[in-house]
Amino acid sequence: KAGVTQTPRYLIKTRGQQVTLSCSPISGHRSVSWYQQTPGQGLQFLFEYFSETQRNKGNFPGRFSGRQFSNSRSEMNVSTLELGDSALYLCASSSVTVNTEAFFGQGTRLTVV
Amino acid sequence: GDSVTQMEGPVTLSEEAFLTINCTYTATGYPSLFWYVQYPGEGLQLLLKATKADDKGSNKGFEATYRKETTSFHLEKGSVQVSDSAVYFCALSSRDDKIIFGKGTRLHILP
Repeated sequence: KAGVTQTPRYLIKTRGQQVTLSCSPISGHRSVSWYQQTPGQGLQFLFEYFSETQRNKGNFPGRFSGRQFSNSRSEMNVSTLELGDSALYLCASSSVTVNTEAFFGQGTRLTVV
Repeated sequence: GDSVTQMEGPVTLSEEAFLTINCTYTATGYPSLFWYVQYPGEGLQLLLKATKADDKGSNKGFEATYRKETTSFHLEKGSVQVSDSAVYFCALSSRDDKIIFGKGTRLHILP
């Protein structure tokens, strides 16, 4: 069974640009969550999608958005990038809820210069 | 809101030493509790979990017991190996289905 796939693995963007990250969950999983990992703040929840609907949202500005497609693949978008957005962005997939088990991808390392 | 507090690292031990990483939580209701491990350059892997009070999660020689009375979920291993060097995260699932993570504890095992 293939794991959670995140693309790209690495990205370098300039301040003010926008970026789109992609996550393909494990086959059959309908829940996809996104987290931001930084040395200072640790792992912070961004949002969660289930069957194409945003079910949960963390405390991030509106520049951070996401969506989920009918095949459960998810994308997150960050607009007007700031230096502080440099982080590892992790995607997790679950069959129904994170109470069962969440499987994480290897992440996308975003560097904003 | 819900939160997880775990001991600050880094923790440095010699091979075959006993490991304890402390974790306490604050939550509404009865969350599921997890330990995740992150190896260099990798995402997170679920190490073990417990879903109700007094449950013991175990995997790869690691154990943790869900203690409701002390709101704790300490990670233990009797004899660590160099390959256990990684960052360990204690976490809980909140009532609104988010995973809330602790700050992480970096573990170094010396041969």
